[in-house]
Amino acid sequence: KNEVEQSPQNLTAQEGEFITINCSYSVGISALHWLQQHPGGGIVSLFMLSSGKKKHGRLIATINIQEKHSSLHITASHPRDSAVYICAVRPLRQGAQKLVFGQGTRLTINP
Amino acid sequence: DAGVTQSPTHLIKTRGQQVTLRCSPKSGHDTVSWYQQALGQGPQFIFQYYEEEERQRGNFPDRFSGHQFPNYSSELNVNALLLGDSALYLCASSFFGTPSYNEQFFGPGTRLTVL
Repeated sequence: KNEVEQSPQNLTAQEGEFITINCSYSVGISALHWLQQHPGGGIVSLFMLSSGKKKHGRLIATINIQEKHSSLHITASHPRDSAVYICAVRPLRQGAQKLVFGQGTRLTINP
Repeated sequence: DAGVTQSPTHLIKTRGQQVTLRCSPKSGHDTVSWYQQALGQGPQFIFQYYEEEERQRGNFPDRFSGHQFPNYSSELNVNALLLGDSALYLCASSFFGTPSYNEQFFGPGTRLTVL
């Protein structure tokens, strides 16, 4: 079983819909990242969370440390939001500098 | 600020060859991490360099090696290429010395195809 699991793997929605992508992890962490990857490969960091909630424009990220779960929400979705969204965690294991990634959620927003 | 840069953007090699990928970190960053992303998968950690030393390594064979230079730039070397090494190779930089070291900035990646 992967340490980081995302759901759904693929999501198609109509422009304007409210989108939720979920991330569950099985290890203690110091931080969780939400990343966006467009075709061509470049990765952009959207949020880094260790507790609570963060908001940036139409994007909202929440994390529940006790339940080892995080969600990424997109309000008023737009075709330009189409991308792969990746959840990544930084494990608390001693010396753990690396990020452990989920497999990604491919989001397609149709006009 | 140029951000994290990687070269080349694309590369085609044949089995058994050797390849070197390069990464320049974001200005002010001193730590470089390398990741391999196979098609349709999330990135997998290869290793991380800080102070010109490999600090942590993922589950990759010794064919994968690296180097960090005094200017903090880094190279990833892969020897005896296999078809399965075909992937997007991502470099990420961060600053080790403050709580914000958690945040990594990613480069655009190098897409390696092994024929």
